[in-house]
Amino acid sequence: AQKITQTQPGMFVQEKEAVTLDCTYDTSDPSYGLFWYKQPSSGEMIFLIYQGSYDQQNATEGRYSLNFQKARKSANLVISASQLGDSAMYFCAMREGSDNQGGKLIFGQGTELSVKP
Amino acid sequence: GAVVSQHPSRVICKSGTSVKIECRSLDFQATTMFWYRQFPKKSLMLMATSNEGSKATYEQGVEKDKFLINHASLTLSTLTVTSAHPEDSSFYICSAHDRFRYNSPLHFGNGTRLTVT
Repeated sequence: AQKITQTQPGMFVQEKEAVTLDCTYDTSDPSYGLFWYKQPSSGEMIFLIYQGSYDQQNATEGRYSLNFQKARKSANLVISASQLGDSAMYFCAMREGSDNQGGKLIFGQGTELSVKP
Repeated sequence: GAVVSQHPSRVICKSGTSVKIECRSLDFQATTMFWYRQFPKKSLMLMATSNEGSKATYEQGVEKDKFLINHASLTLSTLTVTSAHPEDSSFYICSAHDRFRYNSPLHFGNGTRLTVT
C-alpha cells in the first residue's frame, strides 16, 4: 500500500500567486515526521519544511507553509508568492515513529510545479 | 549547514564493469546513510540502508550482490554497482542524517547519474 500519495503529477501557477501541493499519508504509528523536498532539474534534493506528528502548530519556513490536517492524514505544502525559481519537482516524504531519530524517508510520487511569468 | 558530498556526479561505463559511488558527510557524523535510486520524472526509491560497522539492510527486490554497500566510517558510505548492465542506468542519490540532531532532515548528496553502455 502506498504510504505517501501525491495526486498531482503536474501543477501550473502564475508568478506571484500562491499554490498548494497535496500530500496524504498512511501510517498507524502515532509518532512520525513529514517532510517536503524540492528537486530542481539539476537533481539535488533541497529540504524545505518539516512537521512532526505531535506539533500543535503548522510549520512555516519563509514562503513555505505546511497545512497539516492530522485527522485527514494530509500535509499539503503551500508556497506563497511563487517565483520562477520555484519551478521544480516537489516531494512529500514521511519518516515513521521507531525510526524518528534518523530513519529512512519514504517518498511520494512527486509533483512537477511550473511557474509561469 | 550539513553537507553531503557524493562523487562522481556522472559516470559512463561499459556493460560488465563495476562502478563505485562515494557518499561523504562533510561536517557531521552519520551512523546511517541511505541509498536511493530515481528514474526520470519518478520518485526516489529506497534501495538500502547503510549502517556504520555492520551489514547494510536492503529493501525488498534489491539484489545485495549487485549493489554492494560499505559503510567504512561515520562519514563515508560507498555503493558499488557490480557487473553493470544498461538497465542499471539511473540516478543514484545518497543521504545521511546527523546522529546528534534529533528529528533533523535527511541531507542529500547531489546524486550520480550512471549510464551503462
